[in-house]
Formats: sequence, structure tokens, C-alpha cells
Amino acid sequence: KQEVTQIPAALSVPEGENLVLNCSFTDSAIYNLQWFRQDPGKGLTSLLLIQSSQREQTSGRLNASLDKSSGRSTLYIAASQPGDSATYLCAGRRDDRGSTLGRLYFGRGTQLTVWP
Amino acid sequence: NAGVTQTPKFQVLKTGQSMTLQCAQDMNHNSMYWYRQDPGMGLRLIYYSASEGTTDKGEVPNGYNVSRLNKREFSLRLESAAPSQTSVYFCASSLRPTQGSGELFFGEGSRLTVL
Repeated sequence: KQEVTQIPAALSVPEGENLVLNCSFTDSAIYNLQWFRQDPGKGLTSLLLIQSSQREQTSGRLNASLDKSSGRSTLYIAASQPGDSATYLCAGRRDDRGSTLGRLYFGRGTQLTVWP
Repeated sequence: NAGVTQTPKFQVLKTGQSMTLQCAQDMNHNSMYWYRQDPGMGLRLIYYSASEGTTDKGEVPNGYNVSRLNKREFSLRLESAAPSQTSVYFCASSLRPTQGSGELFFGEGSRLTVL
């Protein structure tokens, strides 16, 4: 069974720090990986999607990379701000044999707090 | 830009009551999903619909039924609610991975309490 692990489970940092959030998965059949942000009491907002042919994606202060050979993805947040405080989840889509949809496997998230 | 819209946002039920959670998307996506999110359990897939006219079970389908009413709408029904179904329910949609990136878009969630 696919396992997706996110480390650390929680992180508290002062404003301005550069951060790295980690996501690892057990199955190299992952063919795309998506990072989400979830604010308390809200839904999940898509941040970045890395497709199988890509190694990284960038959006503003966010950069996500994917290394399929090692089964790892990282989300880099530059110059963190209090508004970045949220839970960050990664999800890998696996190419399931016989399924045209592919299953999406979620990590349990990293709860980030950025204090002023 | 509505995206994925879920109703109701909050609901309290008594054990044994039934209800339907509604979901609609306006992004012309083929695939739609229902997840539940519980503390310490993460997100778990209940049912999904790869395309209009098809539905399939996910990880935790027991106690639920779904209907893909048309391309836009995908409903989740609890026939006889149980306290174990107290959770936050999320609807999501995407293009089919074979036709696009498969990027997933979520609704704001429906918070259900079963007493």
C-alpha cells in the first residue's frame, strides 16, 4: 500500500526564515505530486502540481521539487510570512493498473506557524 | 469563479437520519471525488466518479452512496447516519489524468455532526 509521510508534523518559525517541508512516498509509481495549503476550517487550496515529466515547479515564493527515484518531494518557502501559517499537505497520484484515474494518496500534513 | 461548491456547510443529524451532501463544479471537469477528513486520519477517499455515468468505491465507502447526476454534480448520501460518520466532508474535481494534469480542486467542506 502506498504510504505518504510528511516531516515535520509541525513547525514554528519566526518571520523571514526560509523553510523546507518534506514529503516521502513508498511507491515510485507516483506520476504526479501536488502540494496543498489548508487554513483552519477551510478546504484545500492547490499550490503546485509537479507532473511526471517535471522535476520542479515554482510559484512566487514557493518552489516544489520531485525526485521519483528517491521517493521524495520538498516544498521550499522563501522569506516566510505570518500569512503562510497553515497546514501543508502533499498528495501523490499513482498510476494504478486497470484504472484510468489513478489513486491519490495524501500525507497527513505539516502544520506551519510563522510568528512576527 | 465558483470552482467547487458544496452544500450544506454545516449539518447536525441524529443517529439513523438520512441526508445528502451536494457538490457542483463549474470547471468542466470529468472526475469528481468525495473525501472525509478526520483528526489523526488524514484525508480518506469515500467514492469517486472518473467520468459522467460511472462511480467507484474508494477506501471507506461503507455507509455511503453516491450519484453522479450529470457532469457538474456529484452527491453523497448517508442513508442511516451513525456517530462514526461525524467528520468534515470534502468534494473535489479534476480533469481525468489521461486528458490533463489531474490537478485536484477542492470545495470548502461540509461539517457533519451525528449525535
